[in-house]
Amino acid sequence: DTAVSQTPKYLVTQMGNDKSIKCEQNLGHDTMYWYKQDSKKFLKIMFSYNNKELIINETVPNRFSPKSPDKAHLNLHINSLELGDSAVYFCASSQALLPLTGPGDDEQFFGPGTRLTVL
Amino acid sequence: AQTVTQSQPEMSVQEAETVTLSCTYDTSENNYYLFWYKQPPSRQMILVIRQEAYKQQNATENRFSVNFQKAAKSFSLKISDSQLGDTAMYFCAFGGLAGAGSYQLTFGKGTKLSVIP
Repeated sequence: DTAVSQTPKYLVTQMGNDKSIKCEQNLGHDTMYWYKQDSKKFLKIMFSYNNKELIINETVPNRFSPKSPDKAHLNLHINSLELGDSAVYFCASSQALLPLTGPGDDEQFFGPGTRLTVL
Repeated sequence: AQTVTQSQPEMSVQEAETVTLSCTYDTSENNYYLFWYKQPPSRQMILVIRQEAYKQQNATENRFSVNFQKAAKSFSLKISDSQLGDTAMYFCAFGGLAGAGSYQLTFGKGTKLSVIP
């Protein structure tokens, strides 16, 4: 069983288009995240949701809008795609709410990533 | 804000040898968590080992162990008996307090490790 899944795995699109990446976790976790990994492999958090509520919103253009229909899903919608949006986007989930209640609650489980290429 | 520094962009090691990857971090928090993640060419992020800052004992997981020096804010990863499957990017990560009682991970820039047959 896949713990954290993302679709699609690859996405190639033209500048100016709008696209979405979907993420689902079947771990029963309350917290989900989106990360961006650039061409130099640097991983940076974009958003964090806890139980459908936005917790972390790093400095990300407002063209990026996360949507959490329920606590098992966190989708990422990107409007007016730009060349600089090309990257690998990772979804992750964890049980992490402080105080942590048990060993392993802090672990983040990552999806397989979505490689977005904007032409 | 926390920062994580991995000063070795690339390293190589002979198969069966031991290699140490360095990581330092900066924080004003006292309670936090530290992680090493592995990203092989498949792109999947895999947790290798974790350390709770309040524990003095260094974590070990089979061939992987850490040298955690809290006062020096250092968290190095030692891989013993290196195997070809250890070839990957290794990311050090700091888990600290974020908004609304949750925490977030801050990653270093990674070390690309190549295991040579």
